[in-house]
Amino acid sequence: KAGVTQTPRYLIKTRGQQVTLSCSPISGHRSVSWYQQTPGQGLQFLFEYFSETQRNKGNFPGRFSGRQFSNSRSEMNVSTLELGDSALYLCASSLGGQGGTYGYTFGSGTRLTVV
Amino acid sequence: SQQGEEDPQALSIQEGENATMNCSYKTSINNLQWYRQNSGRGLVHLILIRSNEREKHSGRLRVTLDTSKKSSSLLITASRAADTASYFCATGQGGSEKLVFGKGTKLTVNP
Repeated sequence: KAGVTQTPRYLIKTRGQQVTLSCSPISGHRSVSWYQQTPGQGLQFLFEYFSETQRNKGNFPGRFSGRQFSNSRSEMNVSTLELGDSALYLCASSLGGQGGTYGYTFGSGTRLTVV
Repeated sequence: SQQGEEDPQALSIQEGENATMNCSYKTSINNLQWYRQNSGRGLVHLILIRSNEREKHSGRLRVTLDTSKKSSSLLITASRAADTASYFCATGQGGSEKLVFGKGTKLTVNP
């Protein structure tokens, strides 16, 4: 079966712009989580959605937002981009919303560069 | 904030040798998971060990967990060049889907 699909793979944006990243989870997976990975801070949790509801949120400013659709696909949005937002953004899905208990399947990520 | 701290930060070995990576964490956990990442790509789930388990095996992987010391180790036996990657431990606290990752161990297996 298809894995977790993230689009686009690479993105270059200018400071002040906004960006939307997309994630399609494995078919049947209802939970989608987002992580930011940078060389300095490592992997940090952004938020998690289950059945279109945000269940958990990490310590990121309000410029970072997300949503989940009825087909479980998720998008995350970053507004007013800053240079420090340059990172690899990873999406992960889990069956039954228990990835914290059974493990996650990650997508290949979206590499965002802010110039 | 980082919970898991992997040790060493980098490890270089020859093919056929065993590789051991350690992870320490700070708070009580529900489970501990190990992931592999190849060159800035997505993470691959390797193995999960629950807080009431002490050891788990999967193929060439062996994971141990010592909750009294808040530490875990990942052993890869008979390493191959294809094992070259970064390895991360992540803790699940239960009741939350959030995983807290360590900074990872970069493993290089030389042919």
